Amino acid sequence: QKEVEQNSGPLSVPEGAIASLNCTYSDRGSQSFFWYRQYSGKSPELIMFIYSNGDKEDGRFTAQLNKASQYVSLLIRDSQPSDSATYLCAVRPLTGTASKLTFGTGTRLQVTL
Amino acid sequence: DAGVIQSPRHEVTEMGQEVTLRCKPISGHDYLFWYRQTMMRGLELLIYFNNNVPIDDSGMPEDRFSAKMPNASFSTLKIQPSEPRDSAVYFCASSWTSGRDEQYFGPGTRLTVT
Repeated sequence: QKEVEQNSGPLSVPEGAIASLNCTYSDRGSQSFFWYRQYSGKSPELIMFIYSNGDKEDGRFTAQLNKASQYVSLLIRDSQPSDSATYLCAVRPLTGTASKLTFGTGTRLQVTL
Repeated sequence: DAGVIQSPRHEVTEMGQEVTLRCKPISGHDYLFWYRQTMMRGLELLIYFNNNVPIDDSGMPEDRFSAKMPNASFSTLKIQPSEPRDSAVYFCASSWTSGRDEQYFGPGTRLTVT
């Protein structure tokens, strides 16, 4: 079992719709959870982080964490073509040293006109 | 504020040659990470440093790879000798001990070994 799993996609949503990206992780004691966006040919950029169970909203983005079920999700409201990118989920496991993140392989999102 | 700086941005070399990738972390950051990204394997952590000291190099694929951090503002990743399977994008990232673990990535070096 991979430590961090994501559906590779592509996930295709029409412009203006809600895109829902999901991520599951294996280490139940994981502490911190991150969503990075990576445009083709560019480096990953941090867009959201969440530490506590529940929802965290930032503009059109909402991160949701459910530690009991070991999943974290990212919702993008009013999706725009500029949101088309690969979204990487990253987790800091309880085991191992501080600051080391484990990344999923990413979900490619396509927002269509 | 300058972000993480990497050089070169592109490197094309022949099999067997030595390759050196360079990274300057964000000033004040005390963690530095080297990653490799390929289509097949995604983003893999190779090695990371804390206060210039290597903490975990378990991701370094083999002895051909080595990394150093002689001071807080500079790190190198060296491949000697290079092989075609080393072709990938190599990212450097940095973060600081704040308890939040956010990592900031450089633009990457696209390495092609022919």
